[in-house]
Amino acid sequence: DGGITQSPKYLFRKEGQNVTLSCEQNLNHDAMYWYRQDPGQGLRLIYYSQIVNDFQKGDIAEGYSVSREKKESFPLTVTSAQKNPTAFYLCASSIGGARGDNEQFFGPGTRLTVL
Amino acid sequence: GNSVTQMEGPVTLSEEAFLTINCTYTATGYPSLFWYVQYPGEGLQLLLKATKADDKGSNKGFEATYRKETTSFHLEKGSVQVSDSAVYFCALSDWMDSSYKLIFGSGTRLLVRP
Repeated sequence: DGGITQSPKYLFRKEGQNVTLSCEQNLNHDAMYWYRQDPGQGLRLIYYSQIVNDFQKGDIAEGYSVSREKKESFPLTVTSAQKNPTAFYLCASSIGGARGDNEQFFGPGTRLTVL
Repeated sequence: GNSVTQMEGPVTLSEEAFLTINCTYTATGYPSLFWYVQYPGEGLQLLLKATKADDKGSNKGFEATYRKETTSFHLEKGSVQVSDSAVYFCALSDWMDSSYKLIFGSGTRLLVRP
C-alpha cells in the first residue's frame, strides 16, 4: 500500500537536545512538506521541498532544519534553538508542479514533548 | 496575504442532526478550496475540494460549494453520525515562491453525541 510513514509516533526530548523526525513516502511524489500543529492554531508550514536536493523555508522555519537527499525521504531536525518545540508534527506529500488542486497526503504525525 | 477563517468550535450535535461549518477566505485570484478531516490522533485526510466558482465538492455525505461572491466554502452534511466526530480544516491553495502551498484555517472540532 502506498502512503506516508512518520516515526516515531511519540518522542520525548530533554531541553537542549536536537532530535530528528522521520518522514518517508512511497507515492512517488515530488513535493514534501512539514507542518506544526498546536491546539487551536491549525497547521503552520515549517519547510517544504518541491524536488530532491532543494527545499524552502515556510512560515515558521526558525529552529528547524531539513534535508532532501532522496525523493522518498524528508527528515526534520528540531534543534535546541527552537524555543517551544512541544507540538504535533505532520509530514505531507503531493504530486507537486504547477497545479493548485493537487491533494496533499498526510502521515500519521509525531507528537514531540520536551521534558 | 491570503487567509482562511473558520467558525470556532467545538460544535456539538446529536446524531442525525444537520451540520454546517462556516469557512470564508481572502485571496487574490481564484484558489482551489479544500476541506480536510482529522480523526483523533491521526493525520489529515482530504474530504472534498472545489477548483472554481460554483463547483460543489462532495464525499461521504458532506458537501461544500465554492461561492466566489461571498468568498465562502461552507461544509454541510444532512445527517451526522457519531463517527463524524473529528476536527475539520478548511484550506486554500496559494501560489507563492513558484509553488502551490496550502493555507489552513484553525480547524473546527465536531462532537456528535449518540
